[in-house]
Amino acid sequence: DIQMTQSPSSLSASVGDRVTITCRASQGISNYLAWYQQKPGQVPKLLISTASTLHSGVPSRFSGSGSGTDFTLTISSLQPEDVATYYCQKYNSAPLTFGGGTKVEIK
Amino acid sequence: EVQLVESGGGLVQPGGSLRLSCAASGFTFDDYAMHWVRQGPGKGLEWVSSINWSGDITAHADSVRGRFTISRDNAKNSLYLQMNSLRAEDTALYYCAKDGGGTPGYNCFDSCGHGTLVTVSS
Repeated sequence: DIQMTQSPSSLSASVGDRVTITCRASQGISNYLAWYQQKPGQVPKLLISTASTLHSGVPSRFSGSGSGTDFTLTISSLQPEDVATYYCQKYNSAPLTFGGGTKVEIK
Repeated sequence: EVQLVESGGGLVQPGGSLRLSCAASGFTFDDYAMHWVRQGPGKGLEWVSSINWSGDITAHADSVRGRFTISRDNAKNSLYLQMNSLRAEDTALYYCAKDGGGTPGYNCFDSCGHGTLVTVSS
């Protein structure tokens, strides 16, 4: 099975900082990669599908890139409401594996 | 508006069984694959099971295969997860998730319910 590895597992940044989270697949998955945001005490919400397509209603400061095995989620200017754990997920075929998550905090 | 409401969770002893349900509304249920995802206490998201729109193709994580069965009733707009031989490590919040559609097969999840808590303990 394909493994999904996220890094870092946590980060602390200042408001306004550019934040980058990476996700690596152990085998190529084309662009079948999604990113989710889970705020504390809330359900996960879809941010990005097909590696770079912003889901409806998601602020434009979020962007995704990559294809094959290496993917990136970028927050161009970190806001207090972005405090959350972010997960990548492959969905080219089952198992629909999630990465381990990246917890983003404000410094 | 998409609504997914899970039910059926609770406290069960190791080796016991539970059946989770998810009532769906706000979309054409039989147009979409559906999924179960779980999250153990303080842990990350774990994909559990998926089912295609018609119910004849299913997939399960290795950790639950042979013990859990996903099913659906399109006439009732409902998704189910039959969980047998439950273990302590199955303790989690179980979310029902709607497939985003768009391509054949499975896609990412564009909506989740609020979850139902399963606790496996003696």
